[in-house]
Amino acid sequence: KAGVTQTPRYLIKTRGQQVTLSCSPISGHRSVSWYQQTPGQGLQFLFEYFSETQRNKGNFPGRFSGRQFSNSRSEMNVSTLELGDSALYLCASSPTTRGGETQYFGPGTRLLVL
Amino acid sequence: QKEVEQDPGPLSVPEGAIVSLNCTYSNSAFQYFMWYRQYSRKGPELLMYTYSSGNKEDGRFTAQVDKSSKYISLFIRDSQPSDSATYLCASSTDSWGKLQFGAGTQVVVTP
Repeated sequence: KAGVTQTPRYLIKTRGQQVTLSCSPISGHRSVSWYQQTPGQGLQFLFEYFSETQRNKGNFPGRFSGRQFSNSRSEMNVSTLELGDSALYLCASSPTTRGGETQYFGPGTRLLVL
Repeated sequence: QKEVEQDPGPLSVPEGAIVSLNCTYSNSAFQYFMWYRQYSRKGPELLMYTYSSGNKEDGRFTAQVDKSSKYISLFIRDSQPSDSATYLCASSTDSWGKLQFGAGTQVVVTP
């Protein structure tokens, strides 16, 4: 079974621009979560989507948004980029079976904001 | 204060030694406990997953959860240089959604 895929893998943007990152979950997984990883803050939860609905949200400003499509693929968008948004953005998928499997991560998209 | 605390290391051990990693957590509602391994510039890879308290063994890896003391551990037996990576503990109230991660411990296994 193919793993979680994320595109693009690397991205360079300038301050003030916006960016859209894409995530395709493991086949059959319906929950998709997004995390930001930086050397200073570690892995931080952004938001989680299930059946096209945002179910959980972390403590990030409104510039960070996401959505999920009917095929469970997800995108996240960051508007008005700031230097501090430079990070590894990770997507994770889960089948959401209570007591079953947990989250599996993709390789991430490395974003550099200049 | 973070909900999951983990010593960032680095932890250096000789090849063949036992690697002992641990985390503490503060949220009593956590029911799911995970250990992920992350190589440089890669995404985290799930190593062990435990629901509630107890021990779980998978090959050279053993995970332990003690909910009474809010302590989670990972042991790696017969460590290899290929085990050199950052190990992240994570906890959550559900098997999906928001994972709370520790800072990650960098492990270096020297030949």
